[in-house]
Amino acid sequence: EVQLVQSGAEVKKSGESLKISCTGSGYNFFGHWIAWVRQRPGEGLEWIGITYPDDSQTRYSPSFQGRVTISADKSINTAYLQWSGLQASDTAMYYCARLLGDCARLGCSFGAHWFDPWGQGTQVTVSP
Amino acid sequence: QSVLAQPPSTSGTPGQRVTISCSGSSSNIGSKAVNWYQQLPGAAPKLLMYNNNERPSGVPDRFSGSKSGTSASLAISGLQSEDEADYHCAAWDDSLNGWVFGGGTKLTVL
Repeated sequence: EVQLVQSGAEVKKSGESLKISCTGSGYNFFGHWIAWVRQRPGEGLEWIGITYPDDSQTRYSPSFQGRVTISADKSINTAYLQWSGLQASDTAMYYCARLLGDCARLGCSFGAHWFDPWGQGTQVTVSP
Repeated sequence: QSVLAQPPSTSGTPGQRVTISCSGSSSNIGSKAVNWYQQLPGAAPKLLMYNNNERPSGVPDRFSGSKSGTSASLAISGLQSEDEADYHCAAWDDSLNGWVFGGGTKLTVL
């Protein structure tokens, strides 16, 4: 079974650092991009960025560039999302998801990919 | 404010057919495939529809997707109580060089 398992809930104070993880199993982890998505309470989903575990390429949403760092360690099938200075506005649920596509049929551009499966989510709570 | 526009909520009775719209622009829906995700209460999102109208294995054929121009729709026929969830549309955006989502539509089964 293809699965992404995320690290547990975190409660932090403003200004603190944090690194959360997402561990994949049941598939070739280093051969698929991993995405991170934020969901603030009562709001929609926001794409944060992606990483390719095989060579550590990363791409960021302009809204998150410079505010978070995405990385991966292919030796342990794990991707990471980290902050160096949390703010109360970072309080949210964070999801990781595998990028999946059908290159032979639909092409290999990012626009021809979708997120499947998703991790169970990591709740991050930051107090002022 | 989300790049893709969805109605915040919709509702239907069991057995009814409901549709959820997702409106974008030429840089996203107008030129790229739309995907839909179902988020049951308290759970992570799950892929429901990809490449505009393709259902992953295990998704009932009561769910269908379509796209026309810069808008897409998700239709659910034979509505069931277990369909009560939030539904999110998504697509790649060439101008923003990243994925964009709708704000999500909360479906209530009356």
